[in-house]
Formats: sequence, C-alpha cells, structure tokens
Amino acid sequence: DTAVSQTPKYLVTQMGNDKSIKCEQNLGHDTMYWYKQDSKKFLKIMFSYNNKELIINETVPNRFSPKSPDKAHLNLHINSLELGDSAVYFCASSQVPLAEDTGELFFGEGSRLTVL
Amino acid sequence: RKEVEQDPGPFNVPEGATVAFNCTYSNSASQSFFWYRQDCRKEPKLLMSVYSSGNEDGRFTAQLNRASQYISLLIRDSKLSDSATYLCVVNIEGFKTIFGAGTRLFVKA
Repeated sequence: DTAVSQTPKYLVTQMGNDKSIKCEQNLGHDTMYWYKQDSKKFLKIMFSYNNKELIINETVPNRFSPKSPDKAHLNLHINSLELGDSAVYFCASSQVPLAEDTGELFFGEGSRLTVL
Repeated sequence: RKEVEQDPGPFNVPEGATVAFNCTYSNSASQSFFWYRQDCRKEPKLLMSVYSSGNEDGRFTAQLNRASQYISLLIRDSKLSDSATYLCVVNIEGFKTIFGAGTRLFVKA
C-alpha cells in the first residue's frame, strides 16, 4: 500500500488552463503539505494543513488553491497556468508537532507539471 | 539570505572515501533538524534526524551546533549507492519544514 499517493504523476497542459492534483495519505497523520520543486531542484513549501485547516501559506499566488476535504486528503487546484508553474509538485504528510523523534515527512512520488 | 544554506555541489568522490556536507540555518527559533536523501526523479526520504548531542547511524554521522546554527553530515566508506542529493532540513515551530537546496554527491568506482 502506498502511504502517500498523488495523481496524476505527469501533467502536460497549455498556458491559461486550469488543472488539479490530488493527494491522499493512509498514515493517519494530521498534517499535509504541498511542496514545489523547480528546475533548479529547490524544494519549497507552499501550503501546510493541519486537521483540514490551513496553517501555512507561503506567499503563493492566489491562482493556487488548496482544498482539504478531510485530514487524509489535500488537493491542489491551479488556475490560469503559467510557464513558470512548470515543476514537480510533491505532497507530503507528517505527525505534528514535528520533533527529532517524529520528524519524518512522508512524500508522495510527485506530480510533474509541464506548461507549454 | 536563504533560511537554509548548503555546500554547493557536486561532490565527486571515489568509493571508500569520506565526505562531509555542511549546512547553516538562519532562524534561531528552529527546533529540529534532519538530513534527507533524494535520488534522481524520486521523492525525498528521511536519512536521519540530527540530535543536539550528535548521532551516528552506521556509516553516517550527523552533528548540530545550535550556537553557530550549523549542521553537518559525514559519510564514511562511501558506496556507489550513496550517490544522490542530500538535503539539509530544518523545522520551525512544528508545522514549517524548510529544505536546503541540496548537495549532489557522485561516488565513482
């Protein structure tokens, strides 16, 4: 069983389109995240949700709208896609609060978005 | 200044070599520290936590200096399979986990 699964794995679309990425975790964690990894491989936090509530929003354009219907799911919807949105988007989950003994973020396999 | 800064890579080392990676963080409120490993086109995975007293896991040793806001990772007896990107990770206030840009390691036969 995959602990954190996200779909789709690959997404190729035109500028201006709207697309969604879905994420589900079966680990019973309270907190879920979206990270963006750009072409320079820098992994940057976008959002964090704890028990369906938005905790962190890291100055992400409001074209990006996360939604958490329950604590096992965190979806990401992107409106009016731009070339700069091309990246790998990783979903992750963890226990909170994170500490040395519970510090593991469990990542999904990533969703590679290409905007043409 | 980036919140987490790492040695620029790549590091190219022969099998059996010892290699050290350094990392500094800027937020003194940082609470917990980790090293993650990311293989090419894969997701990051936890390598080890970093404890204040330093800790070892087989060939890997992690050190933390809170006063200098500095973290290190030492890999002894490098294996081909150690080739990957190593990410220095800092957790701030429980919910916010910040990744460094990563250091690429290539271990050659």
